[in-house]
Amino acid sequence: QKEVEQNSGPLSVPEGAIASLNCTYSDRVSQSFFWYRQYSGKSPELIMSIYSNGDKEDGRFTAQLNKASQYVSLLIRDSQPSDSATYLCAVNKGYSTLTFGKGTMLLVSP
Amino acid sequence: GAGVSQTPSNKVTEKGKYVELRCDPISGHTALYWYRQSLGQGPEFLIYFQGTGAADDSGLPNDRFFAVRPEGSVSTLKIQRTERGDSAVYLCASSPQSSYNEQFFGPGTRLTVL
Repeated sequence: QKEVEQNSGPLSVPEGAIASLNCTYSDRVSQSFFWYRQYSGKSPELIMSIYSNGDKEDGRFTAQLNKASQYVSLLIRDSQPSDSATYLCAVNKGYSTLTFGKGTMLLVSP
Repeated sequence: GAGVSQTPSNKVTEKGKYVELRCDPISGHTALYWYRQSLGQGPEFLIYFQGTGAADDSGLPNDRFFAVRPEGSVSTLKIQRTERGDSAVYLCASSPQSSYNEQFFGPGTRLTVL
């Protein structure tokens, strides 16, 4: 079992819809969780971090964490074509290094 | 302020050659990380510096890879006797000590070994 798993996609949603991106992790000692956005040919850009169970909202983005189920998700409301990118889930186990999933490609069609 | 910078942006070399990749972190960030990203994969951890010392080098694939950060700021990743399998994008990230490990990435160096 991979440490951090994501569906590679692509996930296709129409403009204005809610995009839901999911991530599961295997190590229960994981303490902090991050979502990065990566445009093609560019480096990852941090968009959300979450450390405790529940929801965290920032603008159109909501991160959700359920440590009992070892599950993290990212919701993007009112999706825009500019949101089309690969979304990487990353997990930190209390040391300092991040373990990344392979990423989910999101395509938002106008 | 300025973000993480990396040079060169692209490096093409021949199998067996030596390469150095440079990373200049965000000013004041004490933690510096190197990752490697292959096509279709997420970044893979290589080495982590806290200040001048390598706090964790468990991700370095073999002894051909080495990294330094002599003054606690700029870091250089060194690869000896390059192999075609070393071709990837090498990413550097930095993090302020006060943060909960939020890491900010530079633009990366695309290494191609012919």
